[in-house]
Amino acid sequence: GENVEQHPSTLSVQEGDSAVIKCTYSDSASNYFPWYKQELGKGPQLIIDIRSNVGEKKDQRIAVTLNKTAKHFSLHITETQPEDSAVYFCAASGGKLIFGQGTTLQVKP
Amino acid sequence: GAGVSQSPRYKVAKRGQDVALRCDPISGHVSLFWYQQALGQGPEFLTYFQNEAQLDKSGLPSDRFFAERPEGSVSTLKIQRTQQEDSAVYLCATRGERNQPQHFGDGTRLSIL
Repeated sequence: GENVEQHPSTLSVQEGDSAVIKCTYSDSASNYFPWYKQELGKGPQLIIDIRSNVGEKKDQRIAVTLNKTAKHFSLHITETQPEDSAVYFCAASGGKLIFGQGTTLQVKP
Repeated sequence: GAGVSQSPRYKVAKRGQDVALRCDPISGHVSLFWYQQALGQGPEFLTYFQNEAQLDKSGLPSDRFFAERPEGSVSTLKIQRTQQEDSAVYLCATRGERNQPQHFGDGTRLSIL
């Protein structure tokens, strides 16, 4: 069935460093790839998304890249801040959203 | 409010009881989704409505799970004869146009004792 693999499961960085989270997907029909940030006790909040007709998208300190041939997409956060600490989920959709297992990001001040 | 609202935020039930979880969508959002999120895992799709029509219920784990959206707005997820493995956070998400993202509520944390 459809599957999304996400790595790493935990990531600890120093404030100001960059963080990269990677995902792979199995369904070739996937054409929409959102990233969500989830804080404790809250629902997932969309931070950036990309569609299959675009290879890269950037929004301030956050960027996402997509390699459709390899079925890979990645989230890049630059100049990390303590408030970036949360669980991040990637997802892929060719109809319904299939989520990765999540990455717990810790930014140390 | 402007966002997706879910109630109750927390629900504790004894094994075998029935529960009902409510989702109030963002006004005007046509599509509504229910997800189950186990501890430490990503959300898993349960079911999807477009207006009042339930177009996909392939993710519902068993026939004890039932969802409805009779007037195309508020939705209720019902779980009958609850079991311990039903313990999870149940998330609702809604979407406007098809090419727009899904917006999530804060979920209902269900604990079955």
